[in-house]
Amino acid sequence: GAVVSQHPSWVICKSGTSVKIECRSLDFQATTMFWYRQFPKQSLMLMATSNEGSKATYEQGVEKDKFLINHASLTLSTLTVTSAHPEDSSFYICSALGRGVTDTQYFGPGTRLTVL
Amino acid sequence: RKEVEQDPGPFNVPEGATVAFNCTYSNSASQSFFWYRQDCRKEPKLLMSVYSSGNEDGRFTAQLNRASQYISLLIRDSKLSDSATYLCVFSNDYKLSFGAGTTVTVRA
Repeated sequence: GAVVSQHPSWVICKSGTSVKIECRSLDFQATTMFWYRQFPKQSLMLMATSNEGSKATYEQGVEKDKFLINHASLTLSTLTVTSAHPEDSSFYICSALGRGVTDTQYFGPGTRLTVL
Repeated sequence: RKEVEQDPGPFNVPEGATVAFNCTYSNSASQSFFWYRQDCRKEPKLLMSVYSSGNEDGRFTAQLNRASQYISLLIRDSKLSDSATYLCVFSNDYKLSFGAGTTVTVRA
């Protein structure tokens, strides 16, 4: 099946720093990528939908100035958590939807962010 | 009311047992239905899609009841490797809505 990678797989940072997470589709072109966040024992929550070459669409309650998304190519989307705080500690997962495929999304392995 | 509701479990079953659980959804416009499996600290992986007529994939059987707005998953002849959290997922125009998951633990 399609492969999606994320980097880094985990990161620990100090409060106030910014963290960039990359999501890549390795063997297909992804016109649309999604960014999710999952807190312990909770469901994945969609944060934003990222379309190549256009601005991301954020879900209600997600601050676009805090979670910067860039989808500059058909194989790469990045999520930057700006001025991270402990409450931003979570499991961030991206998924990718390819051209001409069904609505099955392929998930990256996730990035575990811990903000001290 | 939550968009997607699942019994969190856990369901603790012996090897070889049958285990089944449901998931309800509130958005009647949901177009596609899936069961995903998530292992601890890993990303979700697609287990199977759920079709109106019901479908099987080996030991797994999924059903969809649009009238009552729920889907179900049945696992027969449980294996130790089936221990995981099972997420029900609905999609509408490519946007996925996830349940919080039902935890299944299969013991030897």
